[in-house]
Amino acid sequence: GESVGLHLPTLSVQEGDNSIINCAYSNSASDYFIWYKQESGKGPQFIIDIRSNMDKRQGQRVTVLLNKTVKHLSLQIAATQPGDSAVYFCAESSSGSARQLTFGSGTQLTVLP
Amino acid sequence: DAGVIQSPRHEVTEMGQEVTLRCKPISGHNSLFWYRQTMMRGLELLIYFNNNVPIDDSGMPEDRFSAKMPNASFSTLKIQPSEPRDSAVYFCASSFRPGGETQYFGPGTRLLVL
Repeated sequence: GESVGLHLPTLSVQEGDNSIINCAYSNSASDYFIWYKQESGKGPQFIIDIRSNMDKRQGQRVTVLLNKTVKHLSLQIAATQPGDSAVYFCAESSSGSARQLTFGSGTQLTVLP
Repeated sequence: DAGVIQSPRHEVTEMGQEVTLRCKPISGHNSLFWYRQTMMRGLELLIYFNNNVPIDDSGMPEDRFSAKMPNASFSTLKIQPSEPRDSAVYFCASSFRPGGETQYFGPGTRLLVL
């Protein structure tokens, strides 16, 4: 069936460097995408979202890029900080899925001092 | 706003016992979701409600699981009888509507069934 998956299960970056977390999706009908951050012992926390009529959206220190041609989504974190260490999930939905979110498996980001 | 509230935060019980998890969604949200998270399966949607009505319960593992939403500000997820394989973190989330909009998650209930 349709699914959302991540390329890299783990990512380690030096503090201050930029981080890029990737996500592939297979449902070509997906038109809404969202990134969540989950810290240990906590629930997923909304970071940023993007709709399919856009290819880029920026937030505070974060940027989401959407490439519908190759069904690829990425989350860029600028000047990564220790507090950014967490598991990052992408999720997608479409009108065909009754707008339920389908989550990827997650990427563990570790920020090294 | 206090966000989505879940209780208890931790639950340890013995196999065969009844477990009830509780959730208070964000005020004004009319969609509520129950998820289960395990290392093996990741985040799984169990059931969701829209305007207090269950819309899709296809993710509920089996008849031992049941969920109710008696009003807009309260929902329960019940497991009876519980089994060790039910051990997981259970999250409740809410949104303004189910239409793919941002879901806000609670802190979760960590359930351990011995």
